[in-house]
Amino acid sequence: EAGVAQSPRYKIIEKRQSVAFWCNPISGHATLYWYQQILGQGPKLLIQFQNNGVVDDSQLPKDRFSAERLKGVDSTLKIQPAKLEDSAVYLCASSLTGQRYGYTFGSGTRLTVV
Amino acid sequence: GENVEQHPSTLSVQEGDSAVIKCTYSDSASNYFPWYKQELGKRPQLIIDIRSNVGEKKDQRIAVTLNKTAKHFSLHITETQPEDSAVYFCAATLEGGYQKVTFGTGTKLQVIP
Repeated sequence: EAGVAQSPRYKIIEKRQSVAFWCNPISGHATLYWYQQILGQGPKLLIQFQNNGVVDDSQLPKDRFSAERLKGVDSTLKIQPAKLEDSAVYLCASSLTGQRYGYTFGSGTRLTVV
Repeated sequence: GENVEQHPSTLSVQEGDSAVIKCTYSDSASNYFPWYKQELGKRPQLIIDIRSNVGEKKDQRIAVTLNKTAKHFSLHITETQPEDSAVYFCAATLEGGYQKVTFGTGTKLQVIP
């Protein structure tokens, strides 16, 4: 099966600029996650979607981060305006609801804010 | 919410030796514990998992043990090889429905040839 697709792979922006990331999950996976992985740390959940609804966004900095999954398939994560501390790899993952085998990560987008 | 602690943060072993990584979790309701391997610049990949109804699971050179009472679980890699060098993350979750996975902070394993 095709994996979780993410784009772009790399992005360099200046602070206060805006940036958007895109994710296309594995076909049929109703649950989609966005994680932030800062260098040297484990992935931190930003937001979790079930189809096009938000299940958990408790750790999403809502003053600058937003995400949507309008049709319940692909998703976009936006940062506006970016801060230096947003430099990280943004990982998208997807799973079947109640999947018993963990879930699959995309390759991630490495964001550098200068 | 769930909190997962992982130790050590770095681990160096000689090729052929064993490596052990330990994790503790806080939420006694968690019942599924996956382990991920992340090679430099690559995505995390699931390597083994264990559910709370078993105490140990093996897959060739890797094994995971779970102590529900103490709320800790461990990854054991035997006969380590250079290609085992990577960052390993443990995680804990309540499986089923809207599973939310909490990751540990990671262990950087270096296998010295």
